[in-house]
Amino acid sequence: DGGITQSPKYLFRKEGQNVTLSCEQNLNHDAMYWYRQDPGQGLRLIYYSQIVNDFQKGDIAEGYSVSREKKESFPLTVTSAQKNPTAFYLCASSIDSSYTDTQYFGPGTRLTVL
Amino acid sequence: AQKITQTQPGMFVQEKEAVTLDCTYDTSDPSYGLFWYKQPSSGEMIFLIYQGSYDQQNATEGRYSLNFQKARKSANLVISASQLGDSAMYFCAMRAPYAGGTSYGKLTFGQGTILTVHP
Repeated sequence: DGGITQSPKYLFRKEGQNVTLSCEQNLNHDAMYWYRQDPGQGLRLIYYSQIVNDFQKGDIAEGYSVSREKKESFPLTVTSAQKNPTAFYLCASSIDSSYTDTQYFGPGTRLTVL
Repeated sequence: AQKITQTQPGMFVQEKEAVTLDCTYDTSDPSYGLFWYKQPSSGEMIFLIYQGSYDQQNATEGRYSLNFQKARKSANLVISASQLGDSAMYFCAMRAPYAGGTSYGKLTFGQGTILTVHP
């Protein structure tokens, strides 16, 4: 079955720690994205990658970092520089980054800072 | 800059009836795509339907249809024959070739509408 997996489902972080959220897809999609969702809000783009070994900042990249070493994987690191990291994080992918392309989402990771 | 507006924070519908969820958008790009997603309480975003700016006909996918009025910049989602499982948050989103800055091809989301289906 093709799809997008995210792990872990729930993540707890102490202040000052870096944590990494996993995102894997087996859809053979070139483009991948990370979004953040706060309670009662829509999604905001953190980072995106149109192709392996390339990625770009989105609207709220400060305090986050990513890598794209493999087509299937796009991990997101939430660093200690992110002031308010408690949120729901969603990873998505699409065939490419054309505006007509549908983005498909993973099940999400809920991050809580203790 | 792109903007999506969903003016209905919450909507209620009786099971088996139809419901319309409103969405208006703003963009200066002539080319764009409009998407609707469903987010149940589990959190996953489920793609429902897509409408391209150059599409002449309204998109339909099973019980979902998109009422696209380009001149009014509206893209309302119509759900026919509502089911209890339709209770969820619904998001309208837009994607354009150049969304400003470096956010090429990003999805811009509205605030969402919570739909509750009553038995």
